[in-house]
Amino acid sequence: QQPVQSPQAVILREGEDAVINCSSSKALYSVHWYRQKHGEAPVFLMILLKGGEQKGHEKISASFNEKKQQSSLYLTASQLSYSGTYFCGTEYWIGVNRSGNTGKLIFGQGTTLQVKP
Amino acid sequence: DAGITQSPRYKITETGRQVTLMCHQTWSHSYMFWYRQDLGHGLRLIYYSAAADITDKGEVPDGYVVSRSKTENFPLTLESATRSQTSVYFCASSPAGRLFFGSGTQLSVL
Repeated sequence: QQPVQSPQAVILREGEDAVINCSSSKALYSVHWYRQKHGEAPVFLMILLKGGEQKGHEKISASFNEKKQQSSLYLTASQLSYSGTYFCGTEYWIGVNRSGNTGKLIFGQGTTLQVKP
Repeated sequence: DAGITQSPRYKITETGRQVTLMCHQTWSHSYMFWYRQDLGHGLRLIYYSAAADITDKGEVPDGYVVSRSKTENFPLTLESATRSQTSVYFCASSPAGRLFFGSGTQLSVL
């Protein structure tokens, strides 16, 4: 039931790009992305709803392919401040008759990103 | 101040004791959540609530009890703490959409 994230860890140099993937075995209503720095609470980055939209946040953007039940987070021209652990959270689609979603958000195991100077 | 607060920030207890972790939000968000975070497991959902008096199990509910008599409070109780419940616990609230996390409670069960 937990979404699968890949890769588990990434090491980059400043200015390089990275892609983090999130894959689900069940139909999705929404996908959330959060970043967590060591010793802190997760911080919201963006949410993508059923419909395949792509969103952006500074140099971080994401896509949602509902047919493949996958989402990808794109980090371009990475900065030192991008270091941290990235989590995708998935909310499952339960059908139109039940309003489509439950509000129940399940997170993947996380992807650790380290950006070096 | 508006926001979501967890207490205590740190807690040490002994095996078999009952422990309650508090979570309070001032936004009147409908949804509230409890997650535990352990190395290698990410954030795992314990319980969540869609509104006052409505709660539901998450991925790892065994050994935990929740209640939500008021919209703003969502306490998590460990009825008889075990060492495997040593973890960092995060409470979160949501108006339906993005989650707002509290600062976390670091719980150690000896």
